[in-house]
Amino acid sequence: NAGVMQNPRHLVRRRGQEARLRCSPMKGHSHVYWYRQLPEEGLKFMVYLQKENIIDESGMPKERFSAEFPKEGPSILRIQQVVRGDSAAYFCASSPLAGIELTDTQYFGPGTRLTVL
Amino acid sequence: DAKTTQPNSMESNEEEPVHLPCNHSTISGTDYIHWYRQLPSQGPEYVIHGLTSNVNNRMASLAIAEDRKSSTLILHRATLRDAAVYYCILRRSSNTGKLIFGQGTTLQVKP
Repeated sequence: NAGVMQNPRHLVRRRGQEARLRCSPMKGHSHVYWYRQLPEEGLKFMVYLQKENIIDESGMPKERFSAEFPKEGPSILRIQQVVRGDSAAYFCASSPLAGIELTDTQYFGPGTRLTVL
Repeated sequence: DAKTTQPNSMESNEEEPVHLPCNHSTISGTDYIHWYRQLPSQGPEYVIHGLTSNVNNRMASLAIAEDRKSSTLILHRATLRDAAVYYCILRRSSNTGKLIFGQGTTLQVKP
């Protein structure tokens, strides 16, 4: 069973461009979480999605960021008009159980390292 | 948010046991204690979790205090590969599943 896959692993964008980060969860997992790790900082939750639904987006910046998890295909984290402060490692995690199941385990991908020039 | 407190860093010698402490004095009765670790340049990985009783798995043991206000992650024989940042996280139903990471403990393992 392949693990959580993220691509690209490294992404370079110039200020004002768009960044699209993809996350393919583990087989059979229908719950996806996105986290961001700024340089020299801890991991911060961004958004929790279940197939075709956003469950919790309390950690998403109000502007320029969006996320989706369609019925078919990977989850996408989209950042419009990137700025230097968006440079970070973005991790997604998947789980077979709903977030309210407190014993569930989240399986993390290797991350996408976004650099904004 | 459920807050945990961990030492910023710890050192260990290879093949010796390591005890990583975590304080969570505001824990509520239904909160689960989870541990994750993040190796350099990798995504976090699950280590272990528990509610009240001590737990063992192939990676580590989790010792939970009787009053549940603290817990200790035990690596029985540290290896160089165990050098990582270890995060102690409380899972509660009001958090909708998101993991709230603190600063964690950076473990250095010396050969």
